[in-house]
Amino acid sequence: GENVEQHPSTLSVQEGDSAVIKCTYSDSASNYFPWYKQELGKGPQLIIDIRSNVGEKKDQRIAVTLNKTAKHFSLHITETQPEDSAVYFCAAPRGSTLGRLYFGRGTQLTVWP
Amino acid sequence: DADVTQTPRNRITKTGKRIMLECSQTKGHDRMYWYRQDPGLGLRLIYYSFDVKDINKGEISDGYSVSRQAQAKFSLSLESAIPNQTALYFCATSDVGGYGYTFGSGTRLTVV
Repeated sequence: GENVEQHPSTLSVQEGDSAVIKCTYSDSASNYFPWYKQELGKGPQLIIDIRSNVGEKKDQRIAVTLNKTAKHFSLHITETQPEDSAVYFCAAPRGSTLGRLYFGRGTQLTVWP
Repeated sequence: DADVTQTPRNRITKTGKRIMLECSQTKGHDRMYWYRQDPGLGLRLIYYSFDVKDINKGEISDGYSVSRQAQAKFSLSLESAIPNQTALYFCATSDVGGYGYTFGSGTRLTVV
């Protein structure tokens, strides 16, 4: 199976609503979980990350939660805005070997005004 | 200037041609990576380098080679391009801990 599975592949929300993207990983030794945002014509950009010693991290409208027992982590975007429209990728290393990140297949988020 | 610069931004080449994609970074990081992006498949690791003397294969290295000319430069070569290598290619760099990748803007390669 894939190292990192990401769902959904597409997500449409109304401006002001919340959006949630979920990822699962296969290696219980993984200890770092970043999220990237890719706007059209640009490279992915790190927006938030979490390490395995915490369960949740927030940065303004963005939060990431981690459930190590279930091996899944989620990105939460509140009060969505049209400029949040982009492709979002989750990633995880295989085991604790940082530097070799495995990415999910991406979620196309569209925020309608 | 961008932290990670990729050249060219776009390239169309013919089947069987050799092509090189170049990447340079000003972050001062030792670790550099090449990823390939295809619609619906996410980012897949082609090659990575943890320092100038270290080169490692990723998930999909067949048909590709790399050269780490200096700490700041990491190039990707397609020795004999084929149409299924048509994709968006990204170079990235990270600190020694592997945290916080910084990506370039990508090279869109089309093999006809």
